[in-house]
Amino acid sequence: DSGVTQTPKHLITATGQRVTLRCSPRSGDLSVYWYQQSLDQGLQFLIHYYNGEERAKGNILERFSAQQFPDLHSELNLSSLELGDSALYFCASSVLAGGWNEQFFGPGTRLTVL
Amino acid sequence: GENVEQHPSTLSVQEGDSAVIKCTYSDSASNYFPWYKQELGKRPQLIIDIRSNVGEKKDQRIAVTLNKTAKHFSLHITETQPEDSAVYFCAAPSNDYKLSFGAGTTVTVRA
Repeated sequence: DSGVTQTPKHLITATGQRVTLRCSPRSGDLSVYWYQQSLDQGLQFLIHYYNGEERAKGNILERFSAQQFPDLHSELNLSSLELGDSALYFCASSVLAGGWNEQFFGPGTRLTVL
Repeated sequence: GENVEQHPSTLSVQEGDSAVIKCTYSDSASNYFPWYKQELGKRPQLIIDIRSNVGEKKDQRIAVTLNKTAKHFSLHITETQPEDSAVYFCAAPSNDYKLSFGAGTTVTVRA
């Protein structure tokens, strides 16, 4: 157990809908990262927050947004869902900002868009 | 940003043999190189990492080597066991707070 929690574990929804994925980082970690992993694909970086502020953006679609709250948990919002958005979404946390810090991954949320 | 290439994409080895996965990176400023293991349906987990001030690091049957001049690093698994079967990802950071991952190597250990 990495100490990072994600809810829900599974999510099944229809095209056009909107969903929210939640992540709680390890105690003491200020950074949260979101990744998308499609079937047989690698880890695609979406966005990084540090202590409530956005620090880096990857190839995140405009239909996707995220935020980090004062208690440091983060939410990833996916709207106008398409079939291609079906994937495993991981969040990870680290103590500090920057890719040179060890990242601890949560168990992931499996999103299925029908 | 950082570009990380990982080879091979799949690797099948006989139990007891060694497995080697290689990664190259583009950003010469990168100074931290982690390797993650992801078992089927589970989260990626850090198995070993190396910082740029050393050329090699070993942890039991796993070792990582780094060649900063050539900008490549490798994961070595010796005496492979069935539980080593998984997808392995290398990664390297870029200056803009991102960690770029390789495409992954699916390792299958044949009994």
